[in-house]
Amino acid sequence: AQKITQTQPGMFVQEKEAVTLDCTYDTSDQSYGLFWYKQPSSGEMIFLIYQGSYDEQNATEGRYSLNFQKARKSANLVISASQLGDSAMYFCAMREGLQGGSEKLVFGKGTKLTVNP
Amino acid sequence: DVKVTQSSRYLVKRTGEKVFLECVQDMDHENMFWYRQDPGLGLRLIYFSYDVKMKEKGDIPEGYSVSREKKERFSLILESASTNQTSMYLCASTREGSTMDTQYFGPGTRLTVL
Repeated sequence: AQKITQTQPGMFVQEKEAVTLDCTYDTSDQSYGLFWYKQPSSGEMIFLIYQGSYDEQNATEGRYSLNFQKARKSANLVISASQLGDSAMYFCAMREGLQGGSEKLVFGKGTKLTVNP
Repeated sequence: DVKVTQSSRYLVKRTGEKVFLECVQDMDHENMFWYRQDPGLGLRLIYFSYDVKMKEKGDIPEGYSVSREKKERFSLILESASTNQTSMYLCASTREGSTMDTQYFGPGTRLTVL
């Protein structure tokens, strides 16, 4: 079974509108972390936002926010006021077993976001 | 500013060649990782290292080996390159024991095996 599922291979949004990119995860650990990365066409992976499993509040970083619903095991990325430069691949990732010191990340297959002018 | 560098952005090799992909980080990180990225498959972990001369297999180690002789440098080796190893290769690093720290990625190497 996939540990990270991103069900939207591609998404389109109009400039200045908000968009939600879906991510669901599967783990039996109590302690884990969830990450979102952006990958422009240049190929570099850019860290966007982090949510810890014990964090009670949803993480926010500028125009990015993470809609964390622990019971549903979802960690959706919300981008507000989309910009043309937001067009990229977006990856959701999970690190399990934080207390055990595990450093491995498991990635979803990604969502390609296209922002239209 | 944190930095992970990879020796080549683009590389073209022939089937059967031995290929070295180099990764260097300047953040004194203990953990380093090699991933390959293919369309529709996301990133898959090949090998990682949590200390000098230490390595562990990831999800797809077959056909690859690694070397970590110095803390800052982690090399991925394709002993005999094959066409199915044509892919984007990404290196990453992170601190030991980090909980919320992200992995820092290099710019990637697009490898084509003819």
